[in-house]
Formats: sequence, structure tokens, C-alpha cells
Amino acid sequence: DQQVKQNSPSLSVQEGRISILNCDYTNSMFDYFLWYKKYPAEGPTFLISISSIKDKNEDGRFTVFLNKSAKHLSLHIVPSQPGDSAVYFCAASGAAGNKLTFGGGTRVLVKP
Amino acid sequence: GAGVSQSPSNKVTEKGKDVELRCDPISGHTALYWYRQSLGQGLEFLIYFQGNSAPDKSGLPSDRFSAERTGGSVSTLTIQRTQQEDSAVYLCASSWGGSDQPQHFGDGTRLSIL
Repeated sequence: DQQVKQNSPSLSVQEGRISILNCDYTNSMFDYFLWYKKYPAEGPTFLISISSIKDKNEDGRFTVFLNKSAKHLSLHIVPSQPGDSAVYFCAASGAAGNKLTFGGGTRVLVKP
Repeated sequence: GAGVSQSPSNKVTEKGKDVELRCDPISGHTALYWYRQSLGQGLEFLIYFQGNSAPDKSGLPSDRFSAERTGGSVSTLTIQRTQQEDSAVYLCASSWGGSDQPQHFGDGTRLSIL
């Protein structure tokens, strides 16, 4: 059973517009959530995280929103840039340990 | 460099051989993790070290897989008698430890079993 799901395998957006990536989870024990960006042949790069005690965290162009009641988080990238084209993974960890459980990824293409 | 370093970057070996994959974490990071990404699959957890101890080995797929960490730093993941289904990218990550610390990943070792 997939505890973390990214239901959109791909997303295409125009440069300068907002990219919105979504992630759903089922395990209520998760209390820390992260977003990673991955380019081909490279490891995932940490972007931004949020603790379950918050509902929003912002870092530059990246904002993560957490809706605990809906077990849903989203990543907003604004404005989107061509260099943002990559695969984005959401991940979660919880009281059971520090291991990360990943979603399947969303491939983002930002068109110039 | 300042990031997580993994070696080799690529490894091709014959079925049945043993392989060793190495991870150098970010200096000072107490926690170290191994994950793998098989073709068409997501990232899956293998094992977690805190210092030299491995409190969570729940992701190791079989007893052919083992890992150790020495001096609270370098870790080695060993796969014995490799099988074709072991082909994957093996990723190492490290962090300061604690449940609210982000993990930082290396670029992985791409393992191909012929």
C-alpha cells in the first residue's frame, strides 16, 4: 500500500506562472514532510520541509502547504523558471523512525 | 566536497558476484540512510544508521544485503550473490539526526547486474 501518493505523474507550465504539485498521505503518524527535486543521473536535492505543527512554510519561490485534516500537502513554485524542470518527490517521516517514505514523483516541465 | 559522496558512480557486474557500495556522509552528520530506486519504481528505504548502530534495517530485501558503518562516518552496503533484480540506483543520504532534520542525498551508485 502506498502511504504517500503523488497522483499527477506530470505537469507542464509556462515560464513565470505558478506550478502547484500535490501529495496525499495515509499514515497519520507522519509528522515531517519534505519536497525534493531530482535531475537525471543526480541524487534528490532537498527543497523545503514542513513540520506537522505548521500549515505553511515559505522559502523564496517555494511554499509548502500542509492540510493535516485532509492528509494533503502541496508545493507552490512561483514564478516557475525553466531550470525548475525536473522530477519532484514528496516524502514523509514519522514517529516510527526517521526513514523517509516517498511518493512516486511528478515530472515538471517549464516551457520558456 | 561538502556533500554526500558515493562510489563507484556506476558498477556493472555478473550475476552471482558480490558488490560493495560506499558512502561518505556530510561531515558531522550522525544519521546515515540507504535507499534504492529500481527502474520504474519509487525510492525505497533500506537501512538507517545512527552513529555506528543500525536501529532500523527493515527495508533490506533479503539476507544477501548487509551494511555497516565505522567511526560514525563511512558506510558500506554489501550485496552478496547478486541477482538481476538487484539492478537499481542505490542512494545514500545523511542528516544531523532527529525527526525534523532534512536528509541530504548523494548522486547514487547505478548498479547493473548482467
